[in-house]
Amino acid sequence: GQQLNQSPQSMFIQEGEDVSMNCTSSSIFNTWLWYKQDPGEGPVLLIALYKAGELTSNGRLTAQFGITRKDSFLNISASIPSDVGIYFCAGRRAGNMLTFGGGTRLMVKP
Amino acid sequence: EAGVAQSPRYKIIEKRQSVAFWCNPISGHATLYWYQQILGQGPKLLIQFQNNGVVDDSQLPKDRFSAERLKGVDSTLKIQPAKLEDSAVYLCASSPDTGELFFGEGSRLTVL
Repeated sequence: GQQLNQSPQSMFIQEGEDVSMNCTSSSIFNTWLWYKQDPGEGPVLLIALYKAGELTSNGRLTAQFGITRKDSFLNISASIPSDVGIYFCAGRRAGNMLTFGGGTRLMVKP
Repeated sequence: EAGVAQSPRYKIIEKRQSVAFWCNPISGHATLYWYQQILGQGPKLLIQFQNNGVVDDSQLPKDRFSAERLKGVDSTLKIQPAKLEDSAVYLCASSPDTGELFFGEGSRLTVL
């Protein structure tokens, strides 16, 4: 079953607001990946993190690899309607297996 | 660069029938994955190939699911016989040595 706790499960925000979501686990991960999935499509990679403490940006998105290696955060600044979708975190442990969180559904009100 | 190709996009079958999904990974990606995504959940790994060898199939229901990647390039996932609870999107992904996964659009299966 799922070993990554992703929160919040859903968010309904006003356009222009900033968004924060996170993933936590009791296990240590070597890599954290953040994906966005639109309805009827496969997940699309947003940001990849490879070192504890790493902070990486991709446009309005910023993600961090937690110092403990057991968590990761994704922030979206100045949200726009096209940010709507489901955001998934995924962590990779030694042995190459990638585990996904349950997803955060983001809804943006214009 | 072409992405991960999957077919069919949609399939509707009755329970106890069989179904097969096909995936062509990004050129040069040695690792190929099949994930099952049930509505409202994150993807769950079914099987991982490295070239034409199986790396991890611990979560593959082997009594009804099978997968192969005979020439180390494209892959097929088969379900026989299908059950109602197999209704899901089956996602194929491939990755280069960096470990980042790139997904196809998925094949949506409905079992009636």
